[in-house]
Amino acid sequence: TQLLEQSPQFLSIQEGENLTVYCNSSSVFSSLQWYRQEPGEGPVLLVTVVTGGEVKKLKRLTFQFGDARKDSSLHITAAQPGDTGLYLCAGAPKYSGGGADGLTFGKGTHLIIQP
Amino acid sequence: NAGVTQTPKFRVLKTGQSMTLLCAQDMNHEYMYWYRQDPGMGLRLIHYSVGEGTTAKGEVPDGYNVSRLKKQNFLLGLESAAPSQTSVYFCASRPQGTVANTEAFFGQGTRLTVV
Repeated sequence: TQLLEQSPQFLSIQEGENLTVYCNSSSVFSSLQWYRQEPGEGPVLLVTVVTGGEVKKLKRLTFQFGDARKDSSLHITAAQPGDTGLYLCAGAPKYSGGGADGLTFGKGTHLIIQP
Repeated sequence: NAGVTQTPKFRVLKTGQSMTLLCAQDMNHEYMYWYRQDPGMGLRLIHYSVGEGTTAKGEVPDGYNVSRLKKQNFLLGLESAAPSQTSVYFCASRPQGTVANTEAFFGQGTRLTVV
């Protein structure tokens, strides 16, 4: 079983601060995704990274895939209360059978942005 | 545009009772998944299906059965519920293709309590 370790598990910061969330594994993933989940809702896809070293930006969110495709980070600049939620990383195994296999999820980072 | 709809949203069962969770998607997706989400555990894959009439085991399949008689529906059954199956269950679907090239859509979840 391929594992994804997320850190920190919980993070509470003031509005306007910057933060980084990490997703690490000893296994290689063919691609990695970041999801955001709000209470009572299912996860919603934010981004997919595929190439080692790839960087993607989504407004104030910056996602990076490690060169070896074993880790990823999510950086939020000038956090806003609307960024509050559970952030999940999820990986597709390198040798996924035809692409249909389910994702391996990290345990998530609970992020609270205080006004 | 309903997306992925799960029924019911909440349910309380007594130990030993049986029930079926229904997942319906209106996006003509080939792949469908059942996950469970527990505090501190992230999402774990129970079973999945790559098409009508096919199912496969995921990471935690014991105690569950599934069926995909119609492309748009994926049913998750608990034959004899146990307190360890208390969880939030999420259904997801995505089009045929790799994770890198497709997006998974999740339902709103079913909160199941077994007493």
